[in-house]
Amino acid sequence: NAGVTQTPKFRILKIGQSMTLQCTQDMNHNYMYWYRQDPGMGLKLIYYSVGAGITDKGEVPNGYNVSRSTTEDFPLRLELAAPSQTSVYFCATHLNTEAFFGQGTRLTVV
Amino acid sequence: ELKVEQNPLFLSMQEGKNYTIYCNYSTTSDRLYWYRQDPGKSLESLFVLLSNGAVKQEGRLMASLDTKARLSTLHITAAVHDLSATYFCAGWSGTYKYIFGTGTRLKVLA
Repeated sequence: NAGVTQTPKFRILKIGQSMTLQCTQDMNHNYMYWYRQDPGMGLKLIYYSVGAGITDKGEVPNGYNVSRSTTEDFPLRLELAAPSQTSVYFCATHLNTEAFFGQGTRLTVV
Repeated sequence: ELKVEQNPLFLSMQEGKNYTIYCNYSTTSDRLYWYRQDPGKSLESLFVLLSNGAVKQEGRLMASLDTKARLSTLHITAAVHDLSATYFCAGWSGTYKYIFGTGTRLKVLA
């Protein structure tokens, strides 16, 4: 039982490049989330999903897109990467009263 | 929209001392969470507080919730170096989202 798996763990992007951060869960949870954590700061919600086919914006969605075609996968797409998107990205799921976090993806845009 | 504020942001304390971290939130939240994060790591769940007056304890940490005051506290008793970490509280908004505070960076000095 892997829980929430994020790939890659680290990535360096050049300004203007695009990439997809992958998040997969094997817990069959409906709720999934993407957060970003800037250095020394708390987590800010980017997008979330309450089930396959349903996504919604969080606090800081600009510059990102998501899709949720299956319960298991919730990829986060960065188009035209900018230095302001340098951050650590966490994917999470939720069931009942508990959240489960992935190990994070550390992204640097140079 | 739910907002969560923590204080202090930084806390440096001597081993053996007691201290309290405060978490205020702006609107009704069904539940309140406390997490620990070590540098470069993901979030570790500490406590879930589900009702007014809820108190939970684990080792030297005790969390409580006062929904009328919209306040949760994380009390540290006789701090030890191993408790050095960043502590986050998070509220649960009515729209299926976790909203995080900015975190309290705790450093316990020998």
